[in-house]
Amino acid sequence: ETGVTQSPTHLIKTRGQQVTLRCSSQSGHNTVSWYQQALGQGPQFIFQYYREEENGRGNFPPRFSGLQFPNYSSELNVNALELDDSALYLCASSYQGLGPYEQYFGPGTRLTVT
Amino acid sequence: AQRVTQPEKLLSVFKGAPVELKCNYSYSGSPELFWYVQYSRQRLQLLLRHISRESIKGFTADLNKGETSFHLKKPFAQEEDSAMYYCALMNRDDKIIFGKGTRLHILP
Repeated sequence: ETGVTQSPTHLIKTRGQQVTLRCSSQSGHNTVSWYQQALGQGPQFIFQYYREEENGRGNFPPRFSGLQFPNYSSELNVNALELDDSALYLCASSYQGLGPYEQYFGPGTRLTVT
Repeated sequence: AQRVTQPEKLLSVFKGAPVELKCNYSYSGSPELFWYVQYSRQRLQLLLRHISRESIKGFTADLNKGETSFHLKKPFAQEEDSAMYYCALMNRDDKIIFGKGTRLHILP
């Protein structure tokens, strides 16, 4: 059983550019959640995908969008990057079935916007 | 408003001393509460959840609905407990809301 992986590990973009971050879920998981963690803060929920459909969204503008693929891997896309988008982006996968479930986190992608 | 508050950014405790990391929450209803931990150079991982009522690595946490608290406790701190600790709640939409975290530093 493999864990959650994310790519790239880190990247630098310029204000106004677009970025795509990728997440590979843990085997058997059908749900992926994305979080933004600014320096010195806890992770903030961006959105969640369940079986390829968006299943809830936090307080983030529409320029943050995502996809979940049939193999349950996922992408986070951010358009028109702003300086405040600089953060660690975490994805977490889980299996949503009956009862409470645990989210397994990836190592994160550190995005720097200059 | 749904909110998790961890009042201490940094907590320094001597090895062998008791540890208490404070967490208060704001939520209308019965939330599910968690503690997550991040050790140096490792990913965020679940430490414990209140519904399990278990003790992990000597840590326990009791949900106090009257005080809306979920403090994390350990009777005797160990050096390997040094890490970043996040309190979190899951709302009825299964979304997790994290606190800002407390860095626990165990002094030798």
